[in-house]
Amino acid sequence: VQLVESGGGLVQPGGSLRLSCAASGFNFNTYWMSWVRQAPGKGLEWVANIKEDGSKKFYVDSVKGRFTISRDNAQNSVSLLMSSLRVEDTAVYYCTSTAGYLESWGQGTLVIVSS
Amino acid sequence: DIQMTQSPSTLSASVGDRVTITCRANQSINKWLAWYQQKPGKAPNLLIYKASSLQSGVPSRFSGSGSGTEFTLTISSLQPDDFATYYCQHYNEYPYTFGQGTKLEIK
Repeated sequence: VQLVESGGGLVQPGGSLRLSCAASGFNFNTYWMSWVRQAPGKGLEWVANIKEDGSKKFYVDSVKGRFTISRDNAQNSVSLLMSSLRVEDTAVYYCTSTAGYLESWGQGTLVIVSS
Repeated sequence: DIQMTQSPSTLSASVGDRVTITCRANQSINKWLAWYQQKPGKAPNLLIYKASSLQSGVPSRFSGSGSGTEFTLTISSLQPDDFATYYCQHYNEYPYTFGQGTKLEIK
C-alpha cells in the first residue's frame, strides 16, 4: 500500500490550495478515504471522509463550507480543495485509507497559511 | 462531539517494563476505538482497531481492551522501538476525534 500526498505549500490567509493523494497497492475503489491533519507540535485532527463511490462526504465542523473532498477512482486519487484558508489551518495533512479506523497513511504534505 | 481523554499525557518507563495507557470517551463508543503510534517526523501507524484487534504486522506485545467509555492499550514488555507518542481515536460517529496523545519516554 502506498499513499503519496502532494500540493502543500505556503499560502496567504484567504487563499486556496488543492492537495492530492495518489494511491497504489490496494483496491482503491473499495475503500473510504480520509484526510487527517496535525498542526505543528500538536495532536491529530480528522478533517474529512469520502465514501468508496464518492456519494457521501463528511467534514469536521471547522472546515465545513471551506474544504471539499473528492476522488477519482479511475486515477486512484483523492483530493482536498481548501479555500478561505486561515492561519489555524496550518498543518501537515495526511491522506489515509479508512474503515472507520485509519488503516494506511501517506507521509503527509505541509500546508502553511501565513502572510 | 465525542471527547477522548488519554492518561497519562507523559509516561516514563524502561525497556522491559509493562505499560498501560488509558483512553476515556465522554459517551459510549461501543468498541469503535483505534490506537496509533507516531514517531517524530513520521506518519502515525495503526496498532489496534475495534478496541482489541491487532493490526497485521504489529508485534503481539501490543494489546488493547475495553468497551463503552474506557479503553486501555498495553505494551507487555517495552522495546527500544516503542518509545513514541500514542493516540486513541473513536469512529463511532462523525466527527471522528482523537485523544490528546501520550508520550512514552525512556526513563
